[in-house]
Amino acid sequence: GAVVSQHPSWVICKSGTSVKIECRSLDFQATTMFWYRQFPKQSLMLMATSNEGSKATYEQGVEKDKFLINHASLTLSTLTVTSAHPEDSSFYICSANLGPSNQPQHFGDGTRLSIL
Amino acid sequence: QKEVEQDPGPLSVPEGAIVSLNCTYSNSAFQYFMWYRQYSRKGPELLMYTYSSGNKEDGRFTAQVDKSSKYISLFIRDSQPSDSATYLCAIGDSNYQLIWGAGTKLIIKP
Repeated sequence: GAVVSQHPSWVICKSGTSVKIECRSLDFQATTMFWYRQFPKQSLMLMATSNEGSKATYEQGVEKDKFLINHASLTLSTLTVTSAHPEDSSFYICSANLGPSNQPQHFGDGTRLSIL
Repeated sequence: QKEVEQDPGPLSVPEGAIVSLNCTYSNSAFQYFMWYRQYSRKGPELLMYTYSSGNKEDGRFTAQVDKSSKYISLFIRDSQPSDSATYLCAIGDSNYQLIWGAGTKLIIKP
């Protein structure tokens, strides 16, 4: 069964709106979660690494003020797309390691974000 | 040159055929190797994970790693239409950073 739950699965909203996406680890504690973005027919692009109790580590070119990440507990990380615009429309996916960092990442089912 | 190369396909084969999916990588420091399957509009699902050179089998799936050639493969036996998906290789370095292949779109024709 699923070990990472992501919500919502699909959201449509107007330009200028802020959107929050939740990522939960089910039945395990995740000190580290990862946020990815995926454009159609492309591979995953790591946006940031979310660390429980500390600031997220963002990849080069990802705007920290645009994509706010909060990892306030060992089972929940949130990604907020602030003042979203049509170019932010994409498929956002979170993941977590079940154990140590060298263990495989397990993914949520993704959130399809459409900004009108 | 990308750190991980994967042919995006699409690769179309008849049902029942053996499928071979491959990735090459450039950095000999890469230490662990994964294959994920991704259906349309879903998150990737882990299929295989290995550290070492050689073969690892799980049901109809076999993962093969050749560190000397920097080449990894995923074989699918007795392919089914339900295997139609995009297959992504992911390779991890000593800092536990994952490098992703582009993904190969696989189509199994009934």
